[in-house]
Amino acid sequence: ELKVEQNPLFLSMQEGKNYTIYCNYSTTSDRLYWYRQDPGKSLESLFVLLSNGAVKQEGRLMASLDTKARLSTLHITAAVHDLSATYFCAVDINRDDKIIFGKGTRLHILP
Amino acid sequence: SQTIHQWPATLVQPVGSPLSLECTVEGTSNPNLYWYRQAAGRGLQLLFYSVGIGQISSEVPQNLSASRPQDRQFILSSKKLLLSDSGFYLCAWSVLGYEQFFGPGTRLTVL
Repeated sequence: ELKVEQNPLFLSMQEGKNYTIYCNYSTTSDRLYWYRQDPGKSLESLFVLLSNGAVKQEGRLMASLDTKARLSTLHITAAVHDLSATYFCAVDINRDDKIIFGKGTRLHILP
Repeated sequence: SQTIHQWPATLVQPVGSPLSLECTVEGTSNPNLYWYRQAAGRGLQLLFYSVGIGQISSEVPQNLSASRPQDRQFILSSKKLLLSDSGFYLCAWSVLGYEQFFGPGTRLTVL
């Protein structure tokens, strides 16, 4: 059974700092997704990573995928308050119709 | 472009009452459709998914059921709600099981 683990689950950080959220998974997969959820809202797709070594960047967020290590990272550069949200990674089970979500990382950026 | 709708947006129901939540997708054909539940401050729990009309896969045994009467319509139902059914219900769609796109959600409170 595929397991997806995110850490940390909660992160409080100061504006201007850098930090990384980690997403580990237990079974071979070469497709991974990152989503953002604001409080009380639905999930918004951030990044789609489709191969080993894939790197995507959008503003202050950068996501990468290492399929050999079964690890994806979401790196935040010079955090700003607007990035406060919960971030989920989700892993595609190859040849299946489901994706498995991590528990989410609740990010709180202090102004 | 594709659009996903959910209604109602919020719902307050007494214990033991029936439930019907609806999800419709526009702008795509033969999508995979998913129902998730998110308890307050928690991660996503996949409840049901469907790869075609009349095809429903159940992930968690409980007092909920799902139906797909039309290609782009997905309905979540219950005959008798429990207190534990409270949560944020999210519908999502994908093509061929890849990246999922989420609807705005229905917040259900069972009293």
